[in-house]
Amino acid sequence: GESVGLHLPTLSVQEGDNSIINCAYSNSASDYFIWYKQESGKGPQFIIDIRSNMDKRQGQRVTVLLNKTVKHLSLQIAATQPGDSAVYFCAETDNYGQNFVFGPGTRLSVLP
Amino acid sequence: DTEVTQTPKHLVMGMTNKKSLKCEQHMGHRAMYWYKQKAKKPPELMFVYSYEKLSINESVPSRFSPECPNSSLLNLHLHALQPEDSALYLCASSQEGLGNTEAFFGQGTRLTVV
Repeated sequence: GESVGLHLPTLSVQEGDNSIINCAYSNSASDYFIWYKQESGKGPQFIIDIRSNMDKRQGQRVTVLLNKTVKHLSLQIAATQPGDSAVYFCAETDNYGQNFVFGPGTRLSVLP
Repeated sequence: DTEVTQTPKHLVMGMTNKKSLKCEQHMGHRAMYWYKQKAKKPPELMFVYSYEKLSINESVPSRFSPECPNSSLLNLHLHALQPEDSALYLCASSQEGLGNTEAFFGQGTRLTVV
């Protein structure tokens, strides 16, 4: 299940299940969105991106959905594996492409 | 080569010290960034360089001084820092502005101010 900790929401899933991580963004002018994965002690790593003229994009085991009407972004991870345990951040930027803002992040914990 | 390399990985400095963080990329990216990340928080943008010119300064205190000697290098000079400046400092680069392509991040420098 999902819980909101003092600073970082946490999502716990069983290995092999699908994970859905949600993100609400605030700027209706945002044009480009990215999901990053950050493991402990490492820098953010690109997972998948989507532009505002799309509502869905698929990668390997990951899918990003964009709902511009409610300013909502989600990341779906299929068949979640222990190696998927990390903090996931959504990030948005507008047409000018230099004001790049990260969401608060969600910690994904994969249970054996 | 899709790496952004940051040195040092760890740095401990006193409040009267002067130190520099270094960042290097050889992907031909013309936009480079400094972010600050506190524990359990998202990265916060500090500075953006576009074509070796400072284009964004997010109201960062002057004790942080960025420098872009050439298109592959980005430095962050530190002077008279406070303990609350302790954080993970991340460098990133992208082809142009972030609106066009993803940013590649380095592994960060873990800074502790004592």
